[in-house]
Amino acid sequence: KQEVTQIPAALSVPEGENLVLNCSFTDSAIYNLQWFRQDPGKGLTSLLLIQSSQREQTSGRLNASLDKSSGRSTLYIAASQPGDSATYLCAARGSNYKLTFGKGTLLTVNP
Amino acid sequence: NAGVTQTPKFQVLKTGQSMTLQCAQDMNHEYMSWYRQDPGMGLRLIHYSVGAGITDQGEVPNGYNVSRSTTEDFPLRLLSAAPSQTSVYFCASKTPHNYGYTFGSGTRLTVV
Repeated sequence: KQEVTQIPAALSVPEGENLVLNCSFTDSAIYNLQWFRQDPGKGLTSLLLIQSSQREQTSGRLNASLDKSSGRSTLYIAASQPGDSATYLCAARGSNYKLTFGKGTLLTVNP
Repeated sequence: NAGVTQTPKFQVLKTGQSMTLQCAQDMNHEYMSWYRQDPGMGLRLIHYSVGAGITDQGEVPNGYNVSRSTTEDFPLRLLSAAPSQTSVYFCASKTPHNYGYTFGSGTRLTVV
């Protein structure tokens, strides 16, 4: 059974800092890994999708990497802003279309 | 495209009542699924469907029923609500291809 772990559970940084969120998964037989953002009381917004054959994906200030062999993915946020404050979730997709989620990292960027 | 639409956004039920959470998508996605999100537990899969007429159980299916009569709609039914079903429910959809999921904005359900 796939298990996804996100570290740290919470992170507080000053504005402008570069930061890394970590996601690990136990079963390396994934089709892809997707990073989401969730604002309080809101739904999930997809940030980046990395296919199993890819090493990284970039969108603006966000960069996600994937190392299937070690069961790890990282989300790098450059020059963080207060508007980046949210919970970040990673989810691994297996062969049966099912997503297995981590419990998320609560990010607070202080002005 | 409206994406994935969930109704209602909020609902309070009494123990033993039944209700249906609605989910509709206009992207012609074949795959649809329901998740519940609870504090400290993350998101867990309840039921999913790989196409009209096909449904299957996820990780936490007990107390919930689903059906998929059309590609667009995937309602989730609570037959006899229990306080343990107090949660936020999310519907998601995707194409069969290796693309990502699109999530609805959620239904916050409280069972008293």
